[in-house]
Amino acid sequence: DAGVTQSPTHLIKTRGQHVTLRCSPISGHKSVSWYQQVLGQGPQFIFQYYEKEERGRGNFPDRFSARQFPNYSSELNVNALLLGDSALYLCASSLEPPSGSTDTQYFGPGTRLTVL
Amino acid sequence: TQLLEQSPQFLSIQEGENLTVYCNSSSVFSSLQWYRQEPGEGPVLLVTVVTGGEVKKLKRLTFQFGDARKDSSLHITAAQTGDTGLYLCAGGYQKVTFGTGTKLQVIP
Repeated sequence: DAGVTQSPTHLIKTRGQHVTLRCSPISGHKSVSWYQQVLGQGPQFIFQYYEKEERGRGNFPDRFSARQFPNYSSELNVNALLLGDSALYLCASSLEPPSGSTDTQYFGPGTRLTVL
Repeated sequence: TQLLEQSPQFLSIQEGENLTVYCNSSSVFSSLQWYRQEPGEGPVLLVTVVTGGEVKKLKRLTFQFGDARKDSSLHITAAQTGDTGLYLCAGGYQKVTFGTGTKLQVIP
């Protein structure tokens, strides 16, 4: 079975541009979460979607938005890119919203975004 | 906001040595997870601890959840080069919080 897939693998943008990152969850998983991981740090939670509805949002500016489609795939959009947005963006899927004790999150390999 | 602090931040040891990584918080968590992440890949779940005082073993790795469910530890016995990676603890419901990470390097 295919795991979580993300595209593109790498991306280089310039300040002020817009970017769209894509995630396909494991078949049958209805929950998708997005994380930002700056080099040398742990991932930071951005969004969590379940059944196409936003269930959780982290401490990120409105320049960050996301959505989940009927097939449970998801997009993360970032507008007006800043140098500080350079990071590895991770997508994770689970059967249901991550509750900690159940519903293991499976992570994709991430999209490496570089903003120049 | 729930925060998870990990220590040490970096660890470089010889193959065969033992080590312990700590994950601490001032908040109570219903459960904590431990992940390992290798360069260029996403984190991979190692274990979930749920009950205060719980000890789980995964081959040479031993995980413990504090009695008050505010802290956890990961002990590796006889480290191998394949254990090299970034170790992350995480907890929370829906808005999962990750720890600051411990970068482990095992030298042959």
